[in-house]
Amino acid sequence: QKEVEQNSGPLSVPEGAIASLNCTYSDRGSQSFFWYRQYSGKSPELIMSIYSNGDKEDGRFTAQLNKASQYVSLLIRDSQPSDSATYLCAVKGDSSYKLIFGSGTRLLVRP
Amino acid sequence: DAMVIQNPRYQVTQFGKPVTLSCSQTLNHNVMYWYQQKSSQAPKLLFHYYDKDFNNEADTPDNFQSRRPNTSFCFLDIRSPGLGDAAMYLCATSRETEAGGGETQYFGPGTRLLVL
Repeated sequence: QKEVEQNSGPLSVPEGAIASLNCTYSDRGSQSFFWYRQYSGKSPELIMSIYSNGDKEDGRFTAQLNKASQYVSLLIRDSQPSDSATYLCAVKGDSSYKLIFGSGTRLLVRP
Repeated sequence: DAMVIQNPRYQVTQFGKPVTLSCSQTLNHNVMYWYQQKSSQAPKLLFHYYDKDFNNEADTPDNFQSRRPNTSFCFLDIRSPGLGDAAMYLCATSRETEAGGGETQYFGPGTRLLVL
């Protein structure tokens, strides 16, 4: 059973702080990794994708991937109250185009 | 803008009354997915179409069916909705090839289904 694990939270950080969201996955053959943001009552919205070990930066967001440790993270710098949402980690295996989702981490950014 | 559109955004139905949810896309993606998402849970894949080929997940109840009349449209039919089927239904699309790869899935806004 391929699994993606996330801490459900809530993760509470003050405005302006760095929020660190973590995700582990069980399928060592996984090749593609995605972070989606989901506001309450809305659909998932792609934030970042990452395919290679290391860091990938896009504005205030940085995705980090460590395939040896089967670990992917999302850092949000200068967190804003508008970043308060559930963040879903999703993983694709090397032999499938289907996404395996974690259950999400709820982030609360306190003004 | 290219996008994934779902209609209706909210659907109220009665217990046992068939309901159809629709999804359309202007992205010209070859794969279309239907997910069910309940509160505080991950999206659960129900089935998907790879081009015209239908792929059902093993644990998707027979109560759920799907149609894809053309590349742009896909429908989710719930033949006899039960109270447990109340959820957000998400349509997503992606462009995939036989070689596989890391193509992104793009989600529509979802349809929230309420069963009375």
